[in-house]
Amino acid sequence: AQSVAQPEDQVNVAEGNPLTVKCTYSVSGNPYLFWYVQYPNRGLQFLLKYITGDNLVKGSYGFEAEFNKSQTSFHLKKPSALVSDSALYFCAVRGGPKGGYNKLIFGAGTRLAVHP
Amino acid sequence: GAGVSQSPSNKVTEKGKDVELRCDPISGHTALYWYRQSLGQGLEFLIYFQGNSAPDKSGLPSDRFSAERTGGSVSTLTIQRTQQEDSAVYLCASSLGSAEPTEAFFGQGTRLTVV
Repeated sequence: AQSVAQPEDQVNVAEGNPLTVKCTYSVSGNPYLFWYVQYPNRGLQFLLKYITGDNLVKGSYGFEAEFNKSQTSFHLKKPSALVSDSALYFCAVRGGPKGGYNKLIFGAGTRLAVHP
Repeated sequence: GAGVSQSPSNKVTEKGKDVELRCDPISGHTALYWYRQSLGQGLEFLIYFQGNSAPDKSGLPSDRFSAERTGGSVSTLTIQRTQQEDSAVYLCASSLGSAEPTEAFFGQGTRLTVV
């Protein structure tokens, strides 16, 4: 069965410092991995995805994520946090037999708070 | 359309009444997903469609919940005999195909309040 774990309910970081939001997954077959962000009273916005290729993927707003197959992780990172990055972040996974129809499963979310 | 459209944006209903929530996906997107999000919480998977069929409806909380999709486009999520615990934001998303490595795009959601 597919599952996604975001072990931290909240991450606090000072503006200008690097940030990491953790995500681990469990899926059969090769995973498709995604990060989304949700700002208050707004819908989910896509940030980035890993499908294949380079383990480090870059996305919107300066975010990047590193795929680690041996650790089944896909942590979200940013070199220098902004107060405007404060939001709810979701990791998601799709996976299964190639060519199969697979549902998209989300983690519980991590609230990022960037302090001035 | 340009994006995923959900209607209504807000719905207040009395306990015991039936409600229908509508999702109009992005044109050409064959996969459609329904999720439920309680206040500030995670996304609870409900059901997804590939075309008009639903390969996985394991997330539907009870038999009061049902969903259909016709013409490979618009989907309706129906909740019968609503209960207060059904109050949440119901989110719909669509993507090119559930087996394709593409991201899903979300609508703004329907906020359901059962009083």
